[in-house]
Amino acid sequence: AQRVTQPEKLLSVFKGAPVELKCNYSYSGSPELFWYVQYSRQRLQLLLRHISRESIKGFTADLNKGETSFHLKKPFAQEEDSAMYYCALSGSGTYKYIFGTGTRLKVLA
Amino acid sequence: DTGVSQDPRHKITKRGQNVTFRCDPISEHNRLYWYRQTLGQGPEFLTYFQNEAQLEKSRLLSDRFSAERPKGSFSTLEIQRTEQGDSAMYLCASSPVDRGKLFFGSGTQLSVL
Repeated sequence: AQRVTQPEKLLSVFKGAPVELKCNYSYSGSPELFWYVQYSRQRLQLLLRHISRESIKGFTADLNKGETSFHLKKPFAQEEDSAMYYCALSGSGTYKYIFGTGTRLKVLA
Repeated sequence: DTGVSQDPRHKITKRGQNVTFRCDPISEHNRLYWYRQTLGQGPEFLTYFQNEAQLEKSRLLSDRFSAERPKGSFSTLEIQRTEQGDSAMYLCASSPVDRGKLFFGSGTQLSVL
């Protein structure tokens, strides 16, 4: 069964500190992993996906198949990074996306 | 193009009533999704369409829920005989051929009294 686990409901860091939002997944095949973000009073939107191997707003995420993880990282947090972050998974042969429960990131001044 | 549009934004209904929500996706997006989200949870998959075909439906979805996308454009989600447990935010998303990029609407907040 497909499952996405985000163990932290809330993560608070100070501005300028490194950030790591954890995501673990369960999937027997070859998954595609994504991070979505929801800023206050905005719609849920795609932040990045592992196949692109890109950095968006300073965030990166590496798919680790051995540890079945896709943690989101940023070396220096900014106040505008405060938002809800959701990890999502899709498997081969389907266009269904499964979301985790989300982590609220608060960046303190 | 203003993005994915959902109507209504809010719906309050009494237990046992039927409700219908509408989603207008971004033009030419062939995939359309419905998700449900409750407080403290992530979006829960309900169903998705490719054009007018409903390709997958959550096994957790009650028979009281039905969705249509008759001409491959807008979609409706109907909940019959609503229950208090149906209270949630119902999100619609559309996606182009480009895999993984879901464009979400603002959602319909349903409250069942």
